[in-house]
Order: sequence, then structure tokens, then C-alpha cells
Amino acid sequence: DAEITQSPRHKITETGRQVTLACHQTWNHNNMFWYRQDLGHGLRLIHYSYGVHDTNKGEVSDGYSVSRSNTEDLPLTLESAASSQTSVYFCASSESVSPPYNEQFFGPGTRLTVL
Amino acid sequence: GIQVEQSPPDLILQEGANSTLRCNFSDSVNNLQWFHQNPWGQLINLFYIPSGTKQNGRLSATTVATERYSLLYISSSQTTDSGVYFCAVESNNAGNMLTFGGGTRLMVKP
Repeated sequence: DAEITQSPRHKITETGRQVTLACHQTWNHNNMFWYRQDLGHGLRLIHYSYGVHDTNKGEVSDGYSVSRSNTEDLPLTLESAASSQTSVYFCASSESVSPPYNEQFFGPGTRLTVL
Repeated sequence: GIQVEQSPPDLILQEGANSTLRCNFSDSVNNLQWFHQNPWGQLINLFYIPSGTKQNGRLSATTVATERYSLLYISSSQTTDSGVYFCAVESNNAGNMLTFGGGTRLMVKP
């Protein structure tokens, strides 16, 4: 079955280290997204991509970067991890920007702790 | 940007009871999704419903796009329904970017 996976599922790192979170989808979806969820809140968009070599900043992009070298993967990099980036990170994908193919499907999440 | 408000923020039910969760949004939308976040943190797609009514078992949803709200109905609630329910919307011409509401935290007691 097609799916979207994230790795690692849990990560503890130290302030100042570079961290990369992986996201892989097998639906052949064009669009991919990264969100963060802080305790007790909804999700906020970090970065998104409409296709290979396309990346865009979302609402809370400072301190994060992404690159899209193929359809299946959108890794999220924290250049220099900060304690404020302790959060749960979700990756999502969708087939198209046009209804009804703009439904987003989410991965299981990565819980990141920055000490 | 578009504003999304969910109510109530918290809800406690006895098993078997029915409930209605509401999502209000401030602009026209071409995507509205309801999610259930279970106690393990996983986001489960419940409905893709930018307009109209859908049903899936004990759950149903209605979106009245012209009045800018959506309702999620849970009938005969079970303990496994516990968790947080999120509404997320994409305004027209927003390029498939979802804005999430703050969620409704549901606890179903046995």
C-alpha cells in the first residue's frame, strides 16, 4: 500500500547541532509539506514543495530549510537547532493543488527534543 | 490569512452519547478536512469536505460553505473516539496550504 513515512520517530539533540528529518511518500504525489505542532496547539506550516526542485517558505520557516531532489522525498533540516524548535514535526503530501485532489495525508510524526 | 475557530475547546462525554463539534472559518475555502489525533499523536483523516455532507459509520460531517462553518457529528461515542479533533481549511487560491484550528479535545468516559 502507498504510504508516507517519517524518520526518525524520536530524536534528542543538543543546541547548535544540525538535524535532518526525513519524509518519504510512495503515492507519487506532487505536493509535500512540513508542519510543526507545539504542545496543546494545532499545526503550523514550515515549508512546502509543489514538485522536484521547488521549495517555498511557510508561516514559521526561520531556522529550517528543505530541498526536493525527487518526487518521493522532502527532508527537513534544522541548520542550528534551538530549544524553541522542540516540537512534533509532521510531513504531509497531496496529489494536486486542484480540488478534489488537494486532500492532504499525514505521516506519523517525529518528536524532536533540543536540549 | 484565513482564521479558523473550533468549539468547544474541550468536551467530556459518557460512552454512548452523541456530540457535535463546530468549525468556523473566515473566508471562502476549496478544501476543508477533519482529522482525529489519537492519544499516540497520529493524525487520522476523517473527512475531506469543502462542501456538502458525508457519513462514515458513526461519524458524519456537514460543511455549509456559504455560511463558513462545518460540523462534525459523533454518534454513540466510544472510548476509542477520545483524542483531539482538528479542522483544517485551505482558502481559495491558497496553493494547497492548510490552516488548522486549535482543536477540540474529546474525552469519552466508559
